[in-house]
Amino acid sequence: DQQVKQNSPSLSVQEGRISILNCDYTNSMFDYFLWYKKYPAEGPTFLISISSIKDKNEDGRFTVFLNKSAKHLSLHIVPSQPGDSAVYFCAASPHSSNTGKLIFGQGTTLQVKP
Amino acid sequence: DAMVIQNPRYQVTQFGKPVTLSCSQTLNHNVMYWYQQKSSQAPKLLFHYYDKDFNNEADTPDNFQSRRPNTSFCFLDIRSPGLGDAAMYLCATSRGQGPQTQYFGPGTRLLVL
Repeated sequence: DQQVKQNSPSLSVQEGRISILNCDYTNSMFDYFLWYKKYPAEGPTFLISISSIKDKNEDGRFTVFLNKSAKHLSLHIVPSQPGDSAVYFCAASPHSSNTGKLIFGQGTTLQVKP
Repeated sequence: DAMVIQNPRYQVTQFGKPVTLSCSQTLNHNVMYWYQQKSSQAPKLLFHYYDKDFNNEADTPDNFQSRRPNTSFCFLDIRSPGLGDAAMYLCATSRGQGPQTQYFGPGTRLLVL
């Protein structure tokens, strides 16, 4: 039973354009969401997060949108750069977790073409 | 720089031969996690420590054990590795209670021959 799903295994975008990565979840008890970026042979690096009390959070070129009614979140990267090419994981934390347990999606591989 | 360190980065072991992976952190975080990630899959939480309190996930096989001798170090012991245990093992830390950002080490890739 996969509670966090990233249905697109891969995405290819031209440099300078917008990248939109999507994530769906099934558990309404999730109340904190994060995006991580992973380069080959490295561990995931935290990118941006959003609490369920918000519907948008922005940090430079990265914006995360949360639609609680649809149980959907998305990561927008504008403008996309070749260095953004990596695997992106969304993750969710249930309200009941007092130790920050995260449930991860399978990841989406983003390729930004020069 | 404060960080999460994993050693070794690559580990080769034989079928059934016990192996230990290590993780250390300079962040002074209360919580340490171990994840298993197989190719093209989501990282899967095996267990975590909140200070000295050990929390095992319900579906983590008994073959996997962990030790946390102090705040800085945490070990993952695989007692009898099988071919299906070949994976990337990720260590992460977080400050503590409530929704938290987790900070990951670079991972150890385990190969079982």
